[in-house]
Amino acid sequence: GNSVTQMEGPVTLSEEAFLTINCTYTATGYPSLFWYVQYPGEGLQLLLKATKADDKGSNKGFEATYRKETTSFHLEKGSVQVSDSAVYFCALSEYNQGGKLIFGQGTELSVKP
Amino acid sequence: GAGVSQSPSNKVTEKGKDVELRCDPISGHTALYWYRQSLGQGLEFLIYFQGNSAPDKSGLPSDRFSAERTGGSVSTLTIQRTQQEDSAVYLCASSKGGDSYEQYFGPGTRLTVT
Repeated sequence: GNSVTQMEGPVTLSEEAFLTINCTYTATGYPSLFWYVQYPGEGLQLLLKATKADDKGSNKGFEATYRKETTSFHLEKGSVQVSDSAVYFCALSEYNQGGKLIFGQGTELSVKP
Repeated sequence: GAGVSQSPSNKVTEKGKDVELRCDPISGHTALYWYRQSLGQGLEFLIYFQGNSAPDKSGLPSDRFSAERTGGSVSTLTIQRTQQEDSAVYLCASSKGGDSYEQYFGPGTRLTVT
């Protein structure tokens, strides 16, 4: 079945450091890929998405590129801020499956000043 | 406009009791999803409603779990004969429908079974 695997956390970085959170997926069709973020005490919200191979999603300085050849959708940011501290979830929705999301296990990011 | 709302925000119940969790989606969103977030299992899909189509119940963990969506709007998730392993945060989300539309999540209901 479909699945998503993320690098384990927690990840601790200093402010202005470079961030990469790895995400790989297994899918039988042509999924759309998403990164959702959960800030402390808040609900899940969409960070960025990509719907086909080689698409790049971007938002708030974060980027992720849909790589079909490596079945990956790694999240990157060039310079993290304390306010980026949150839990990040990689997810996929399979084509023609109504959009139900399959999530990775989540990666907690802590950014220190 | 108003986002997805869920009630109650917290629910403590005794093992063996039934519980009902409510979700009010964003007006005009045709798709509604229920997920469960627990320490041991992460974020799991439970059930999905799209318009008047039959729901996709493929994620429900047992026949103690059921859900309905009345009038294409409000949804209720019911857990019968609750067990301690049902303790989790139950999240509802809605979207315009389809594979690539953003899902908007509610704040969740934290269920604790004692």
